[in-house]
Amino acid sequence: EPEVTQTPSHQVTQMGQEVILRCVPISNHLYFYWYRQILGQKVEFLVSFYNNEISEKSEIFDDQFSVERPDGSNFTLKIRSTKLEDSAMYFCASSDFSGGARRDTQYFGPGTRLTVL
Amino acid sequence: GENVEQHPSTLSVQEGDSAVIKCTYSDSASNYFPWYKQELGKRPQLIIDIRSNVGEKKDQRIAVTLNKTAKHFSLHITETQPEDSAVYFCAASYGPGNQFYFGTGTSLTVIP
Repeated sequence: EPEVTQTPSHQVTQMGQEVILRCVPISNHLYFYWYRQILGQKVEFLVSFYNNEISEKSEIFDDQFSVERPDGSNFTLKIRSTKLEDSAMYFCASSDFSGGARRDTQYFGPGTRLTVL
Repeated sequence: GENVEQHPSTLSVQEGDSAVIKCTYSDSASNYFPWYKQELGKRPQLIIDIRSNVGEKKDQRIAVTLNKTAKHFSLHITETQPEDSAVYFCAASYGPGNQFYFGTGTSLTVIP
């Protein structure tokens, strides 16, 4: 069964550095999402992406964050100048949205653990 | 926006017993309620979901019930097994393409 993949699995960076987290959504999916989970807290929505533009974003997704679909398969999250509080697990997800019983379902990647020192 | 509360935060049961995890939501416009299971170090996996036009859904040992009036939904696991041990998350959504609002998670331990 196709799965969402993410790289790297763990990223360590210095405060103020830029990081790019990469995701490969399931190939025929049309909606893409980023969520994050700070240790011990709930999973929080960051942004959704559809038809090559941001569909929805949360208050967390400020000017330091950006998303891009640079080609037909990758979906990236960039943090321009990382802060200590950006340390979290970042999950990418995708959904089909083409109708049918699974139109609401979001399929999650394994996550990237970002540690900001 | 939507707010989802989940309890308990931890749950221990003996193998073979049932486990129940409950979630409440605040916005009656939410119409899709998935449950995810996350084993340590692995991705969240959808185990069951329910839409607002249905009151109950069952898949083998797992069932979900939804009370739209009270705005709460519950996960029921019967005949629990050690491999059911994981963190379970509930979520609510306004429908296809919309963000998921997650609960805080329940760490379930099934004692052999």
